[in-house]
Amino acid sequence: KQEVTQIPAALSVPEGENLVLNCSFTDSAIYNLQWFRQDPGKGLTSLLLIQSSQREQTSGRLNASLDKSSGRSTLYIAASQPGDSATYLCAGNFGNEKLTFGTGTRLTIIP
Amino acid sequence: DTAVSQTPKYLVTQMGNDKSIKCEQNLGHDTMYWYKQDSKKFLKIMFSYNNKELIINETVPNRFSPKSPDKAHLNLHINSLELGDSAVYFCASSQGLAVSYEQYFGPGTRLTVT
Repeated sequence: KQEVTQIPAALSVPEGENLVLNCSFTDSAIYNLQWFRQDPGKGLTSLLLIQSSQREQTSGRLNASLDKSSGRSTLYIAASQPGDSATYLCAGNFGNEKLTFGTGTRLTIIP
Repeated sequence: DTAVSQTPKYLVTQMGNDKSIKCEQNLGHDTMYWYKQDSKKFLKIMFSYNNKELIINETVPNRFSPKSPDKAHLNLHINSLELGDSAVYFCASSQGLAVSYEQYFGPGTRLTVT
């Protein structure tokens, strides 16, 4: 069974610090992994998509990595800002035409 | 220039009623999805359609009936609503079925059944 896990469920970080969000998955035959941001009461905003052939993707202050062999992905946020506060979700595509989501990490950036 | 839109944004109704949620995408994508986010914020696939054809039905009760009149629309009709149907429903789309494609999500419809 393909499962995606995100630990911790919540994280608080002072403004300006760099931080890493974790995502782990049980099936190493992953095709791609997508990171999303969800603000309270809002939809999902796609942040980064990493294909299985890639090791990392970057967009601005965000950098996502993918290690299939260890079943892990990380989302690195540099120089955090209060506007980064949101729930971050990772989702894996294991070749069955659907995304399997983790339970999310609720990030709070403390001004 | 909204990419994936859903209506309504909020829906409050009583048990036993029938309701529909509409989804439209203007991205020219071939594949559309419905996901359900429960009270614990866990997101799970319900259905996917490709070129108006049902691809995934993730053991959803048959009270839920998706309808795709064309590639740009995927509506969700729910019969005999139950308390447990209360959730946020997200529509999404992708360019096609190929696993390399990114999925784009709508803003969600918060359904409350009383």
